[in-house]
Amino acid sequence: EAQVTQNPRYLITVTGKKLTVTCSQNMNHEYMSWYRQDPGLGLRQIYYSMNVEVTDKGDVPEGYKVSRKEKRNFPLILESPSPNQTSLYFCASSPRGTRDSPLHFGNGTRLTVT
Amino acid sequence: SQQGEEDPQALSIQEGENATMNCSYKTSINNLQWYRQNSGRGLVHLILIRSNEREKHSGRLRVTLDTSKKSSSLLITASRAADTASYFCATVGTGGGNKLTFGTGTQLKVEL
Repeated sequence: EAQVTQNPRYLITVTGKKLTVTCSQNMNHEYMSWYRQDPGLGLRQIYYSMNVEVTDKGDVPEGYKVSRKEKRNFPLILESPSPNQTSLYFCASSPRGTRDSPLHFGNGTRLTVT
Repeated sequence: SQQGEEDPQALSIQEGENATMNCSYKTSINNLQWYRQNSGRGLVHLILIRSNEREKHSGRLRVTLDTSKKSSSLLITASRAADTASYFCATVGTGGGNKLTFGTGTQLKVEL
């Protein structure tokens, strides 16, 4: 089944403890992106990647890192999480970017930082 | 920054009625997309409409785009309880990039 898989679904952590949220897609998509969703603010883009080894900042990249060493994987790294990064995170992918095709979303990771 | 703003923020209708949601945006676009989100789940793509298109249909969904007014509408006909969800518009600008910017969404509740 074609899908975007995020892990974990839920994560509770403490301030400053490094964490990684994994994202994998099995559709051979070139484009991958991370969003965070907060009440009243909609979805805001964190980082995106057009292909392997190519990443760019979105609207809210501060406090996050990403890497794209393989086409299928696009992990989101929080080196030193803070409470304001408590949010619902979504990974998404598309075949060639957003100008020609829609995004396929994962089921989300709900992160709580205490 | 938010590009699309949906209106209304919340909408409650009876099953069988039509639901109309509107989206306004600020800058020129390459395309506009509508997504649905069931509570706390991932977004599901509904329709993509390009800037040179005025209307698209998909099943019970009808999307219109008016680039002169920088607005779009999503019409769901003969709504069902299963249509209860949040609906988001998202835009891709004309600047050559691939940034998809979402609005804050409309919460639709369809009651039996």
